[in-house]
Amino acid sequence: SQTIHQWPATLVQPVGSPLSLECTVEGTSNPNLYWYRQAAGRGLQLLFYSVGIGQISSEVPQNLSASRPQDRQFILSSKKLLLSDSGFYLCAWSVGSWGPLHFGNGTRLTVT
Amino acid sequence: SQQGEEDPQALSIQEGENATMNCSYKTSINNLQWYRQNSGRGLVHLILIRSNEREKHSGRLRVTLDTSKKSSSLLITASRAADTASYFCATDASGSARQLTFGSGTQLTVLP
Repeated sequence: SQTIHQWPATLVQPVGSPLSLECTVEGTSNPNLYWYRQAAGRGLQLLFYSVGIGQISSEVPQNLSASRPQDRQFILSSKKLLLSDSGFYLCAWSVGSWGPLHFGNGTRLTVT
Repeated sequence: SQQGEEDPQALSIQEGENATMNCSYKTSINNLQWYRQNSGRGLVHLILIRSNEREKHSGRLRVTLDTSKKSSSLLITASRAADTASYFCATDASGSARQLTFGSGTQLTVLP
């Protein structure tokens, strides 16, 4: 069966520090991969998606970047965090482009 | 702007009662999905209903779709305390998961 791992679960980082969140998927090949951010009490905002290794599409201009160095690995990064980067970050995968989405358990990021 | 918006924002019921949540959207859709999110966790896909379907069942879940009114409802019958969670609808206009738009969710509390 397919599983998705996302870590760390929580992270507290100072403003201006770098960020690296990792997500890996097991049990499926060539998944579509997604990074979402969820503000408190709000819906999800799509940040990045990828249809293959090295292929990244950015949905919203951000202080963030994404990379897909391997088929089932998706990384969210920042060189310098801002206070506004705080939030709940969710990684997800789908078979092809038509979903449904399967989510990881998220990373709660607090930038202080 | 948000495509899908859930109503009510919060709902509190007694165990054994039915819970109904509604979702309204603005533009034509290809399909509509419902997801569930336990506090501090990732979203879990519940059910997908296509634009040419009017009703779908899955266990204690019943979803209806009225494309003329641009609305959907999620009914949970015989609710349990374990159903306590946030419920989100997600719509897509293109059949692509990367175009999914999530609402802000309904927070359901089922009291034992």
